[in-house]
Amino acid sequence: GAGVSQTPSNKVTEKGKYVELRCDPISGHTALYWYRQSLGQGPEFLIYFQGTGAADDSGLPNDRFFAVRPEGSVSTLKIQRTERGDSAVYLCASSLQGPVASEAFFGQGTRLTVV
Amino acid sequence: QQPVQSPQAVILREGEDAVINCSSSKALYSVHWYRQKHGEAPVFLMILLKGGEQKGHDKISASFNEKKQQSSLYLTASQLSYSGTYFCGTVEGSARQLTFGSGTQLTVLP
Repeated sequence: GAGVSQTPSNKVTEKGKYVELRCDPISGHTALYWYRQSLGQGPEFLIYFQGTGAADDSGLPNDRFFAVRPEGSVSTLKIQRTERGDSAVYLCASSLQGPVASEAFFGQGTRLTVV
Repeated sequence: QQPVQSPQAVILREGEDAVINCSSSKALYSVHWYRQKHGEAPVFLMILLKGGEQKGHDKISASFNEKKQQSSLYLTASQLSYSGTYFCGTVEGSARQLTFGSGTQLTVLP
């Protein structure tokens, strides 16, 4: 596609429910990143994929968060037993290669609200 | 480790210059600069690699001092369109992630 696509753009869920957020990166980009951004803050790193594998998942806050990228393209961020503190904009980005020297292209984000 | 940005906010008149700083306590491979407008995704400005370099396009340029692990973004003769929040992102020598600072909110007034 022309850019990084994230769906849904908005998600409202009840506390305790399970949610899945989808990211469709730019075709051919091997690196994919998930970030979480709260109002007035910078993007907070969650996980970085290189191909199908998670090269760095040190930013996942706890075991309720999990992400996959089974075919090295589309990625899904999964959140179990959602809490109100999970409310934020979840941003996905992709780059041609790894983060050292490659520009990251961001999607428009999924705004998650846990009520 | 999250880089530290300063200042937190800047208000300018059109045509004035601004400098935004980014520093890290860790050895860095590279520094990225992005701009985010309200309600939009961050947009890439430039990357600087270790080795100490300067880059620029149009009236926005940046430098990277490898010895001090500091980078500065220079906005010259600012335009209204420069308004937004500027983030630096760093890639540390030991890490495999791009970590962003908390941002500098730049407002350019007519």
